[in-house]
Amino acid sequence: DIQMTQSPSSLSASVGDRVTITCRASQSISSYLNWYQQKPGKAPKLLIYAASSLQSGVPSRFSGSGSGTDFTLTISSLQPEDFATYYCQQSYSTPSFGPGTKVDIK
Amino acid sequence: QVQLVQSGAEVKKPGASVKVSCKASGYTFTSYGISWVRQAPGQGLEWMGWISAYNGNTNYAQKLQGRVTMTTDTSTSTAYMELRSLRSDDTAVYYCARDSVYSSSSGKYNWFDPWGQGTLVTVSS
Repeated sequence: DIQMTQSPSSLSASVGDRVTITCRASQSISSYLNWYQQKPGKAPKLLIYAASSLQSGVPSRFSGSGSGTDFTLTISSLQPEDFATYYCQQSYSTPSFGPGTKVDIK
Repeated sequence: QVQLVQSGAEVKKPGASVKVSCKASGYTFTSYGISWVRQAPGQGLEWMGWISAYNGNTNYAQKLQGRVTMTTDTSTSTAYMELRSLRSDDTAVYYCARDSVYSSSSGKYNWFDPWGQGTLVTVSS
């Protein structure tokens, strides 16, 4: 099975900050990588699919990049509604998720 | 709009079974698969398995093989997930999600969107 790791596990940031979250796969997964946002008590929401494609309706301040084993989710200017936990997920083989990165208010 | 609506919370005793439903609307049910994902309290996301709403083919996570069964009823556009021999560590929120696929020259990409609202299953004596 493919193991996914994320760093950092949590971060504190201010509104307007640029935030970068990293996801790493235990083997190459090409661009088979998705990102989700989850707020407390809510279901996850798709942000990015196929490593860099922005899901319809998701603000353009979210972007994804990477291929192979290393991937990045970037929020260009953090907004109050972006405080949440972010998960990466590989779809190269049996789906698996990263452990999550919690973004909270500094 | 595309929507998945799940059944309500359940409380079960160890050893019992639970069956969670997921009713789809706003799209052609048989054109997509449904995946089930669970989240234990304060923990991350765990993929449980997938079912094709087109032909009923399934693919289950190895750790749940023998305890989980996923089915669909195309007449009502509803997917079901049954988990048997419940243990305390099965306590979790269970989500269904539409398994979307995009095929291009570079490959076939899958993602989960949208998700149901979640169903809390509590296993306690």
